[in-house]
Amino acid sequence: GENVEQHPSTLSVQEGDSAVIKCTYSDSASNYFPWYKQELGKRPQLIIDIRSNVGEKKDQRIAVTLNKTAKHFSLHITETQPEDSAVYFCAASGTNAGKSTFGDGTTLTVKP
Amino acid sequence: NAGVMQNPRHLVRRRGQEARLRCSPMKGHSHVYWYRQLPEEGLKFMVYLQKENIIDESGMPKERFSAEFPKEGPSILRIQQVVRGDSAAYFCASSSEMDRGPGYTFGSGTRLTVV
Repeated sequence: GENVEQHPSTLSVQEGDSAVIKCTYSDSASNYFPWYKQELGKRPQLIIDIRSNVGEKKDQRIAVTLNKTAKHFSLHITETQPEDSAVYFCAASGTNAGKSTFGDGTTLTVKP
Repeated sequence: NAGVMQNPRHLVRRRGQEARLRCSPMKGHSHVYWYRQLPEEGLKFMVYLQKENIIDESGMPKERFSAEFPKEGPSILRIQQVVRGDSAAYFCASSSEMDRGPGYTFGSGTRLTVV
């Protein structure tokens, strides 16, 4: 089955700096890669996603890049703010899989 | 649209009791997924259901755990004879398309505590 690895497990940045979280996947059949943000005690919420026919997608301060050949994808957050502090999860799913396989999460702390 | 509804939000059970967790998907969604999140850990897939069918239960423990999604009513995750290790947050998600996104909409979760 699919295996998703996520790095780093913790990340601390100064407000205004950029943050990058990287994930690798194992199943070349995976074709959909969402990112979720989970604040303490709350549900995971989808923040951005990318499909395998696209190399990059951007939404305001958040962007995701995908390298299908290398089987890795990354989340980029620019001009970080304290409210960006949360746990971020990457995930991968493929055709006919139904389920998503999640990375173990990255705890992002943005220091004011 | 009320979103994905899970209840109860918090559930306390003594060891050996049964826990029943309920999930109503978003309107128009026919795919339901259950995930478990242990404290300080990630989301682990348990089971994927459509109405009256279990599509993938590869993440479900073989004993004590069962899930259903009847023709009428919510999806139910049942844990029999709970043990302390079952204490976790159980999230339900729903989607409208199996393999093309958009991504999951999660419910608020049920936090199960076994005492």
